[in-house]
Amino acid sequence: EPEVTQTPSHQVTQMGQEVILRCVPISNHLYFYWYRQILGQKVEFLVSFYNNEISEKSEIFDDQFSVERPDGSNFTLKIRSTKLEDSAMYFCASSWTRREFFGPGTRLTVL
Amino acid sequence: GQQLNQSPQSMFIQEGEDVSMNCTSSSIFNTWLWYKQDPGEGPVLLIALYKAGELTSNGRLTAQFGITRKDSFLNISASIPSDVGIYFCAGQEAGNQFYFGTGTSLTVIP
Repeated sequence: EPEVTQTPSHQVTQMGQEVILRCVPISNHLYFYWYRQILGQKVEFLVSFYNNEISEKSEIFDDQFSVERPDGSNFTLKIRSTKLEDSAMYFCASSWTRREFFGPGTRLTVL
Repeated sequence: GQQLNQSPQSMFIQEGEDVSMNCTSSSIFNTWLWYKQDPGEGPVLLIALYKAGELTSNGRLTAQFGITRKDSFLNISASIPSDVGIYFCAGQEAGNQFYFGTGTSLTVIP
């Protein structure tokens, strides 16, 4: 069964550094999403992406975040200058109809 | 942002018992999804609901889209140890964004 994949599974970075989290959505899906989940808390929406542009974003998704679909398969989340509070699990999701399928997540640790 | 109230926050039940959890919102939703999340992993979609009143089953799981479109419940019948995990509801208004509930942590005692 097709699934969403994410790399790396764990990323450790120094505060102020840039990180890029990568996702390969399910191949025939058209909508792509990034969510984050701070340890022990609920899943929070960051951004949705459709037709090569951002369709919605939350208040969390400020200027330090950006997303890109650089080719036909990858979907990336860039955090320009990481802060301690960016430490969380970051989940990519994709959908075709109104069913979102999540990847396994990238655990980001900012030191 | 949108708040989804999910209850109960946690449940401790004996194996074989039935489980019921629900989500309520202040807004009308077009879609309700129910997910299960195991520690350190991504949420796994269990059931998707698209119409008010819709009742959908997936094995021992049954979920319903409330008539008011502001709530949904998930039932698990005859619980087994592998049902352990955190269950999240997620609702979608007219746009793309899904809002997640706060989660129900389920512990099944053998």
